[in-house]
Amino acid sequence: EVRLEESGGGLIGPGRSLRLSCRTSGFAFGESALTWFRQAPGQGLQWVGFIGSKTFGGTIEYAASVRGRFTLSRNDSGSVAYLQMSSLKTEDTAVYFCSRGYRGGRASPDYWGQGALVTVSS
Amino acid sequence: DIVMTQTPLSLSVTPGQPASISCKSSQSLLYSDAKTYLYWYLQKPGQAPKLLIYEASSRFSGVPNRFGGSGSGTDFTLKIGRVEAEDAGVYYCMQSVERPYTFGQGTRLEVK
Repeated sequence: EVRLEESGGGLIGPGRSLRLSCRTSGFAFGESALTWFRQAPGQGLQWVGFIGSKTFGGTIEYAASVRGRFTLSRNDSGSVAYLQMSSLKTEDTAVYFCSRGYRGGRASPDYWGQGALVTVSS
Repeated sequence: DIVMTQTPLSLSVTPGQPASISCKSSQSLLYSDAKTYLYWYLQKPGQAPKLLIYEASSRFSGVPNRFGGSGSGTDFTLKIGRVEAEDAGVYYCMQSVERPYTFGQGTRLEVK
């Protein structure tokens, strides 16, 4: 069974840093891309970034709104992905989801984690 | 970025009746591999989105066959043959032909 679980969310002050983890099981993590999304309270879904499989080049891309502040990484031996968030702003308040990209579909997301709430407030 | 436009934004349907949601993209979602990268997700309150339809018209594993996706190029439709109470939630279309992946605004389906 494919499973993804985010952790590390919480209440954090503006300008501070926070790291989210996405722990996975049930699939070949090292061969899979992962995409992060977020959803501000009461709003729609927004793409945050993409980290490809090292097997296929390891591409990393970010949304313009987080580029330079957020960093994606992965630990293939532990089947875990990370979203390091720095210089947080109040507008980064959202539930953050990680998702698996399926092969053969340009790594488009199929399974998602349940999400981690990040609240940026003083 | 590719703009995705969903209509309607809300829908109220009686159980057993059909429902249809439209999604239009600002550019073609047909990729050079001949696949069309349009996806439909259902999100229920407090939950993550769940994949219903991938590549415009293929049902994901475990999705009931009352859900069907169609369309090509820039115009797509999600149809629910006979709505059930469990189908209530917000439906999103998403494109992944290029990054950033972008979503429609979402369509809230109420089952009366």
